[in-house]
Parts: sequence; C-alpha cells; structure tokens
Amino acid sequence: AQKITQTQPGMFVQEKEAVTLDCTYDTSDQSYGLFWYKQPSSGEMIFLIYQGSYDEQNATEGRYSLNFQKARKSANLVISASQLGDSAMYFCAIISGYALNFGKGTSLLVTP
Amino acid sequence: SQTIHQWPATLVQPVGSPLSLECTVEGTSNPNLYWYRQAAGRGLQLLFYSVGIGQISSEVPQNLSASRPQDRQFILSSKKLLLSDSGFYLCAWRPGRITEAFFGQGTRLTVV
Repeated sequence: AQKITQTQPGMFVQEKEAVTLDCTYDTSDQSYGLFWYKQPSSGEMIFLIYQGSYDEQNATEGRYSLNFQKARKSANLVISASQLGDSAMYFCAIISGYALNFGKGTSLLVTP
Repeated sequence: SQTIHQWPATLVQPVGSPLSLECTVEGTSNPNLYWYRQAAGRGLQLLFYSVGIGQISSEVPQNLSASRPQDRQFILSSKKLLLSDSGFYLCAWRPGRITEAFFGQGTRLTVV
C-alpha cells in the first residue's frame, strides 16, 4: 500500500515570499503519480499540480512547482510569490493503481 | 463538460439513524469513483473506491458501506450512524488511472 507523509502541520510565510511544503511518499510500485491539492476554508478541493513517476522534469503550474526527488521519495510543493489568498490547507496525494491516498495536510497562513 | 454532483451539502442525523449520501457524475463514462471522510482539521481518509459498476474496494473497515448501482452513481450508506461518523464527506471521480481527481462540494454530516 502507498503512503503519504506531510510533517508540517502548520506553516507561516510572509506575502510575496516563497514557501516549500514537504511531502514524502512510500510505494513499491514503479508507476505512480503525485498530486497537490489546496483546500480553502470553504472545503472545496482544488487541484494544483501533478508529477508522474516517469517524468524527468519537475512539474510547474504558474506559481506552483513540484520539487520531485525520486530517490529520496519526496515531492515538495514550492509556492513562489505567496499571496494572501494562498492561505489554506494543502494536501499531497499519491495514486498507484486505483487507490488515491492523501497525507494529513499542511495548514499555510500567508501574512501581510 | 464533466460535472460531479454531491448532496446534501449539510446533514444532521441522530445516532442510530440510517444514512444515504449520493454522488453522480455527468459527461463521462466509466469513471473511477471515490468516497473520502475528513474529520475536522484533519486529512482525507479514503473510505471506498470503485472502478466499475458493482465493484467496490473498501479501504477502512467501519460502520459504512458503498454501492455503485449505475456507471456514474456512487452511494455511501450506513444502517445505524455512530457519533464517530460525523465529518466532511467528499466524493471524487477520475477519468483514468494516472489523472487528477475532481471533487464534489462535500457533505458536512453531524451525528447528534
């Protein structure tokens, strides 16, 4: 079974600064995918970025980038130029086979 | 375009009462379907997933069950609710194996 670990329950960052949210995973499968989702206080789940296990380059989507280190089994999310609207819960997830499993999440607070 | 409908948005049920939450997806066929539960301030716990009609995979033994009577319909049920069943329930669908999941708006269940 695959597992996701997010060791940072809460993070603070000042507006316009960059922040890295940590994610490590455990799977015995060779083919898998890694996702990051954002959950604002409304509860909706917003897809941010995806990295496939065979992708050689790190994924980027606007201000979001995924620092994928396959040998270390880490998939950290980097948010550049933080905005107040980035304050939310952030979840890392892994798909291998059909089960999509999430980590416990990191609460990010962006301060002015 | 594809859409996912999940209802109701909020639900207050007494202990021992039955539960039925419904999720339907439009605009696609043979989606992979998921039910998650999120306790307050916690991560998403995968409860059930289904890759086809009548097929259900259970991730966590508990007081809940799931059914998929039609291709795009996923139902979460309980015969007798417990206080510990309270939480935020999210339905999600994925079009393929290595693709992101799209989430419904969620149901906030309070068992009293």
